[in-house]
Amino acid sequence: AQKVTQAQTEISVVEKEDVTLDCVYETRDTTYYLFWYKQPPSGELVFLIRRNSFDEQNEISGRYSWNFQKSTSSFNFTITASQVVDSAVYFCALSEYGGATNKLIFGTGTLLAVQP
Amino acid sequence: EAGVAQSPRYKIIEKRQSVAFWCNPISGHATLYWYQQILGQGPKLLIQFQNNGVVDDSQLPKDRFSAERLKGVDSTLKIQPAKLEDSAVYLCASSLSWGGQETQYFGPGTRLLVL
Repeated sequence: AQKVTQAQTEISVVEKEDVTLDCVYETRDTTYYLFWYKQPPSGELVFLIRRNSFDEQNEISGRYSWNFQKSTSSFNFTITASQVVDSAVYFCALSEYGGATNKLIFGTGTLLAVQP
Repeated sequence: EAGVAQSPRYKIIEKRQSVAFWCNPISGHATLYWYQQILGQGPKLLIQFQNNGVVDDSQLPKDRFSAERLKGVDSTLKIQPAKLEDSAVYLCASSLSWGGQETQYFGPGTRLLVL
């Protein structure tokens, strides 16, 4: 069965610190997609990144970077030089390719609080 | 490009009452999803439409929840009668097409409180 685990419930950092959010997934499929979403206090889920199971290259976008390791079934997210505006709940999610449905399986989220 | 629109943003009702939520997906998106997000949890899919047909409603409590997407664009999710445990955020999402590779874009959600 598919499962996404975000073991960190809450993280608190001071502005300008680097922070890594962990995500571990379970799936029996060889083709799948992983996503990160940000949910600020307004409630809307904001798409950050999509990664397919065949692309293990790390990705960097500004202060954001993602580390995908199939060997450990992990897809971790790092924010460099955190800012107060990064405060939000971050969700990791998994979707299978070619199944009857492409529903997203979400983790329970990590609440990131960045203190000024 | 306009995002996914939802209304109302907030709703407070008493148990056993009825409530309806509306969603307008991103223009041109064929697939529409309704998720339920209970406080402290990740969203859980309730129902998925491809155009105006249902792809997956296995997690929808059909004794009280119903959803439709009559013309393949807007969608309505209804709860009748509501229970206390239905208190949650109801998120609508859309994607260009169907398939695990598709990115789902979410609306702002409707926060429902059942008293």
